Amino acid sequence: QVQLVQSGAEVKKPGASVKVSCKASGYSFTKYAIYWVRQAPGQRLEWMGWIIAGNGNTKYSQKFQGRVTITSDTSASTSYMELSGLGSEDTAVYYCARSYNYGYDYWGQGTLVTVSS
Amino acid sequence: SYELTQPPSVSVSPGQTASITCSGGKLGDKHTCWYQQKPGQSPVLVIYQDSKRPSGIPERFSGSKSGNTATLTISGTQAVDEAEYYCQAWDSSTVFGGGTKLTVL
Repeated sequence: QVQLVQSGAEVKKPGASVKVSCKASGYSFTKYAIYWVRQAPGQRLEWMGWIIAGNGNTKYSQKFQGRVTITSDTSASTSYMELSGLGSEDTAVYYCARSYNYGYDYWGQGTLVTVSS
Repeated sequence: SYELTQPPSVSVSPGQTASITCSGGKLGDKHTCWYQQKPGQSPVLVIYQDSKRPSGIPERFSGSKSGNTATLTISGTQAVDEAEYYCQAWDSSTVFGGGTKLTVL
């Protein structure tokens, strides 16, 4: 069965970077795009960017342009999302999700990133 | 920037029909998806391409669109359907609505 398993919770200091992983299984990793979405406490879901796992093409939300880098390792069926210059407003649950017909059919379990001094 | 608007909350009695709307400019030209999210859990896709239901989603969930308003309808609502529901569409990038808290009284 399709699964996306993310890395564990992180606590970071302001100004630091965080890298979250998303390991896919149960399907052909290179045939789908992986999207990264975050959800701050009590807030709506927010798209950050995506990567076409097969060729590494990426697109980022303008809001995060310059601070976010999404990569994929096809040999490990894993996507990574790195966010730099963390501030308290980046405290959120970060999700990876598989694209499907203009939506997302499988989601990772989420990774809580807490930014605190 | 593109925005999708949902009512903050909807209440329904068990067994009744719940309708959650999502409106946005030119939404009629875009594909709409709906997600169910329960506290502490990841979102679950319940409707894609306006009205299609993924495998495993109960038939009581349906989607429709009229003009620039998409609607998620839950027929015979059950207590287990109590959750936050988000609409989502594409406009050069993914946009999510603000979410609707469905309460089953």
